[in-house]
Amino acid sequence: QKEVEQNSGPLSVPEGAIASLNCTYSDRGSQSFFWYRQYSGKSPELIMFIYSNGDKEDGRFTAQLNKASQYVSLLIRDSQPSDSATYLCAVNRAGGYNKLIFGAGTRLAVHP
Amino acid sequence: GAVVSQHPSWVICKSGTSVKIECRSLDFQATTMFWYRQFPKQSLMLMATSNEGSKATYEQGVEKDKFLINHASLTLSTLTVTSAHPEDSSFYICSAQGHDTGELFFGEGSRLTVL
Repeated sequence: QKEVEQNSGPLSVPEGAIASLNCTYSDRGSQSFFWYRQYSGKSPELIMFIYSNGDKEDGRFTAQLNKASQYVSLLIRDSQPSDSATYLCAVNRAGGYNKLIFGAGTRLAVHP
Repeated sequence: GAVVSQHPSWVICKSGTSVKIECRSLDFQATTMFWYRQFPKQSLMLMATSNEGSKATYEQGVEKDKFLINHASLTLSTLTVTSAHPEDSSFYICSAQGHDTGELFFGEGSRLTVL
């Protein structure tokens, strides 16, 4: 079982719709959860992080965490073509440092 | 936000040569830096954790004698790919952990092509 699992996609949504990205993780000791966006050929850029169960909203983005189910998701409201990218879920591995383990990423395509 | 710079951004080398990639935190001190490798259409794979003034900690399956990591100062870590082979061609990305906040900042990545 992979430590962090994501559906590779592609997830195709029309402009203006809500895009829902999902991620599950195996290490119950994980404390921090991150969503990164990566454009082709570029390094990841942080979108959001979440530590507590529940929802966390930042602009058009909402991260949801359910530690009991070991599940974290990212919702993108009013999706724009510029949101088209690969979204990486990352989970810290317990051990004192911010050792992030990444999922394989979900490719999102927002079409006009 | 904090800036992490990698150099070179891309490099092409012949098989058997060694290549050094630098990762610098430009406006903060990073006690810990991480090195990742990413093959096309795959995720980032953590290679090693680099701690200033001590030996790097390598992930399982990563050859420490092939991927030499030096973290000589609080702002610089280097990754040297020794005796590179075509299968080492990849996108190498470093990240630095801010000393105060613990937040991770990523470098721009270095694309290595070994002929």
